Amino acid sequence: QVQLQQWGAGLLKPSETLSLTCAVYGGSLSGYSWTWIRQPPGKGLEWIGEINHSGETNYNPSVKSRVTILVDTSKNQFSLRLSSVTAADTAVYYCVRGQSSWNHWYFDLWGRGTLVTVSS
Amino acid sequence: DIQMTQSPSSLSASVGDRVTITCRASQDISTYLNWYQQKPGKAPKLLIYAASSLQSGVPSRFSGSGSGTDFTLTISSLQPEDFASYYCQQSYSTPLYTFGQGTKLQIK
Repeated sequence: QVQLQQWGAGLLKPSETLSLTCAVYGGSLSGYSWTWIRQPPGKGLEWIGEINHSGETNYNPSVKSRVTILVDTSKNQFSLRLSSVTAADTAVYYCVRGQSSWNHWYFDLWGRGTLVTVSS
Repeated sequence: DIQMTQSPSSLSASVGDRVTITCRASQDISTYLNWYQQKPGKAPKLLIYAASSLQSGVPSRFSGSGSGTDFTLTISSLQPEDFASYYCQQSYSTPLYTFGQGTKLQIK
């Protein structure tokens, strides 16, 4: 049974860099997209970006200038870095597996989420 | 960006009711539409993908339909564990995925 376990700092000051890591247990990175999605408190879901096992990335234009997603195939992990954070980046961040069926992509496996709060 | 609009934003219903939630896309997205359920403090859970395909392990009382711009999620007979928030998500404009604003289903 594949599981995602995520970790990272939960409290940041404005202008700092958010850093989260997600480990994939019980499965391979190949054949999937590895994604970060966030949810501000009491609000909806926002797709941040994705990476595949080859390191190819795609980012949401809303954060593209500040975001980096990396993959470490030796550790079966992927990570999120978001620079110059502000209070608007306060959210629960989820690591997620994206899967395709006949070119229909969907998010079928989610981490438990990490609440990241940006406050001075 | 493709905008996804759900209605209603909140809904009150009773156990045993048949409930329908609607999602409308700002442009034709064929059947590139997924539905998720989220309970408080938990991660979303995939219910339906490709507009009408039931994810493995999801009860058959959940169903999805629609194509183009208009989609529905139907729960045929509400169970106590179904009270949650529901989100639609388009995967037409990969990789820029967007979600609806959510529908909160509450107990009447």
